Amino acid sequence: GQNIDQPTEMTATEGAIVQINCTYQTSGFNGLFWYQQHAGEAPTFLSYNVLDGLEEKGRFSSFLSRSKGYSYLLLKELQMKDSASYLCAVSRDDKIIFGKGTRLHILP
Amino acid sequence: EPEVTQTPSHQVTQMGQEVILRCVPISNHLYFYWYRQILGQKVEFLVSFYNNEISEKSEIFDDQFSVERPDGSNFTLKIRSTKLEDSAMYFCASSEELRGVPKNQETQYFGPGTRLLVL
Repeated sequence: GQNIDQPTEMTATEGAIVQINCTYQTSGFNGLFWYQQHAGEAPTFLSYNVLDGLEEKGRFSSFLSRSKGYSYLLLKELQMKDSASYLCAVSRDDKIIFGKGTRLHILP
Repeated sequence: EPEVTQTPSHQVTQMGQEVILRCVPISNHLYFYWYRQILGQKVEFLVSFYNNEISEKSEIFDDQFSVERPDGSNFTLKIRSTKLEDSAMYFCASSEELRGVPKNQETQYFGPGTRLLVL
């Protein structure tokens, strides 16, 4: 089976840095996605990690450790528009399994 | 920037009726997907489609569901006899198969979704 865990909610302050963790257990693993989803909207792609290590894309970075079944999404210089749910999703074969998402609240 | 489109944006139907949800994937993409998200819950994989056939499906995707690519552009999800619990947002997604390119270049683009309400 598969299991993906991430915190339900987090709160951070505008301008700060926040790290959203995700742990997973799955048979068969291709890579790990992070998506952003604003309420009532479709998920939008943020990152896809296949290899261990950190990938940086502007204010967002994503890290993967395959041996530990662990990933995190790092958001820097938080802006109010970053208030959203962040979805960790595991890719295996031709299927993508989503976690329940972490709702991030940004305080001014 | 190219995008995935879906129609209709909203659909209300009576229990037991058939519905067809339509998607136009990005034109050079070869993998297509359907997901659903019940209000307040996580995004759930339904089915993936490649080379005119289903490549993977979940336990949710039972005999009531079917997918089709009737022409070169549309990708449809049919629910034969809707149930109350089929009420959800249905997202279509597509991705480009990148032969010979490391998998870390792969991205999957979602459409805006169809909100289905079964009464």
